[in-house]
Parts: sequence; structure tokens; C-alpha cells
Amino acid sequence: DIQMTQSPSSLSASVGDRVTITCRASQSIINYLNWYQQKPGKAPKLLISAASTLQSGVPSRFSGSGSGTDFTLTISSLQPEDFATYYCQQSNTPPFSFGQGTKLEIK
Amino acid sequence: EVQLVESGGGLVKPGGSLRLSCAASGFTFSGYSMNWVRQAPGKGLEWVSSISSSGNYIYYADSVKGRFTISRDNAKNSLYLQLNSLRAEDTAVYYCARDIANGVSIFDFWGRGTLVTVSS
Repeated sequence: DIQMTQSPSSLSASVGDRVTITCRASQSIINYLNWYQQKPGKAPKLLISAASTLQSGVPSRFSGSGSGTDFTLTISSLQPEDFATYYCQQSNTPPFSFGQGTKLEIK
Repeated sequence: EVQLVESGGGLVKPGGSLRLSCAASGFTFSGYSMNWVRQAPGKGLEWVSSISSSGNYIYYADSVKGRFTISRDNAKNSLYLQLNSLRAEDTAVYYCARDIANGVSIFDFWGRGTLVTVSS
């Protein structure tokens, strides 16, 4: 099975900051990597698919990159509504595992 | 508008059973793979099971294999998850999620979830 490891597990940042979250797969997943945002009490929301494809309606301050085993999610200028938990997920091979999550908190 | 509405959760004793349902609307249900993803209280997301549009391809997480059964009824636009031999560690919110396209396992729409609590 493919293990997904995110870092950091939590992150404190301020509005306007640039932040980067990393996700590492235990084996190559090519570009079958997706990012989700989840706010408390809500269902996850798909932000980015195939490592770098921004979903319709997602602000352009979000971007994704990477291939093989190492991936990043970058938020170029944090907005108040971006404080949430972010998960990566591999869609290369079942079981379609998620990372453990990165909680982004206000500094 | 795509809508996914889960139901069937509740309190059940260890070893018990439940059947979760997900009612889909706003899209051609028979054209999409569907999934169940769960989240234990205060924990992260765990993919549970997937079923292809026709029902021919089914996958399970190792943690539920042999105990849970995914199924669908395309005529009723509904997805199901039969949960048997439940354990305390199965306590979670169970989300129904649609694949962005058949068989690609990217989850573009999610329901609000239904809570399953396994406790004596």
C-alpha cells in the first residue's frame, strides 16, 4: 500500500503570508495527487487534482506542483478563509490513501 | 446542482450492523464511480471503498475488507454501504463522494456525512 506523509502537521501563519505544505508518497504516484481543504464541521473540498490542476472556482492563490513522490501545495497570500485543514490524497492505486492532514492556524 | 445526501448512521453495539445510503441528484449517477470516505472524531480522512459506474469494479480498504460491502442501484440513483461486525474503531462520520470521472478516484463532490457510533 502507498503511504502518504504530509508536513508539517500544523502550521501557524498570518494573513498575507505565503505558505507551503508538502506531501510525500512512499512510492512513485506519477502525478496522481490531489489536494483537499476541510473546514470544521464541513465536508472536504477538492482544490487541486493531478498535482497541479486547479479546480473551477478555486482562487488562483492556490497552486500545486510535484511529481513522482514529492508534492507541494502553496498558498501565495493567505486569506482569512484559508485557515483550515489540508489533505493530500493519492489516486494512483487502491487503497486511495490520504495524508494525515495539515492544520493551518492563524498566528 | 449536484447533491449527495447520506443517511442510515446511528448508535450500534460492537458486532452489530448498519446500512448506509447515499441519495444522489443533479447528475447522471450511472456515469460516475462512487466512494465512501470516513473520518473518526478529531482524526483525518480515511478512504473506505469505491465502486465503478457499472458496479463491476469494487475496492476496499484493508481495515474494512470482509466486513463492509459497497453497492449501488443506478435506477434509484443510490449508493450503499453495508457495515457488519462493527468495531469501536469504525466510529466515524461516513461521507459519500463522487469521482470526478469514472474510475479516476478524485473526489469532486461530497455529501455532509452520516455519523456512525459503535459503542456498548
